[in-house]
Amino acid sequence: QSALTQPASVSGSPGQSITISCTGTSSDVGGHDRVSWYQQHPGKAPKLMIYYVSRRPSGVSNRFSGSKSGNTASLTISGLQTEDETDYYCCSYAGSGTWVFGGGTKLTVL
Amino acid sequence: QVQLQESGPGLVKPSQTLSLACPISGDSISSGGYYWSWIRQPAGKGLEWIGRIYPSGSTNYNPSLQSRVTMSIDTSKNQFSLELDSVTAADTAVYYCARGPGSGTYESFDYWGQGTLVTVSS
Repeated sequence: QSALTQPASVSGSPGQSITISCTGTSSDVGGHDRVSWYQQHPGKAPKLMIYYVSRRPSGVSNRFSGSKSGNTASLTISGLQTEDETDYYCCSYAGSGTWVFGGGTKLTVL
Repeated sequence: QVQLQESGPGLVKPSQTLSLACPISGDSISSGGYYWSWIRQPAGKGLEWIGRIYPSGSTNYNPSLQSRVTMSIDTSKNQFSLELDSVTAADTAVYYCARGPGSGTYESFDYWGQGTLVTVSS
């Protein structure tokens, strides 16, 4: 069971859109729709932003959206705001009742 | 509102057992039908899922930690617990407890504790 692959960092300017990728295999990301995304500010617990690939929990801004193609899931943040600058993690079911996270991506809003 | 709060020693000696508990408020661990997980994060690094437990006591563990991990549920205290044996410095991390993942939480972790730092050092 290997960690899902995310870019170490991405950046964008306020108002722009960015996309964070999360690449796995057919045994995890590509095998089903149990993919979720988390936002984590420094020193804080992660916060659920997306579940089932593309669904948003109540209270999460519609600027956050998710998608998947093959073995790669993606998180897109539109209309970037300074408060979006932090770390993001993907997570996927990996079979046999186990779960795996991505390595995390640091988003910088320039 | 569901609240979780990790508790346990912040310092554990190498080769000993790390023990943490996660009491829950705002939900019943036995009747809610949810899975409950432990997740850890070494300083400056990513999240690692350790394992999950169902109210029935059924567990699933990360294969890389399975030989050293035991999770349990105490319904009388409405909490679940983690034991990690034979710890080394590599087990130093912030440990989080969380609700999920399972069908009841849309296959995600929807509530998290604030996290507790456990340092392995002599």
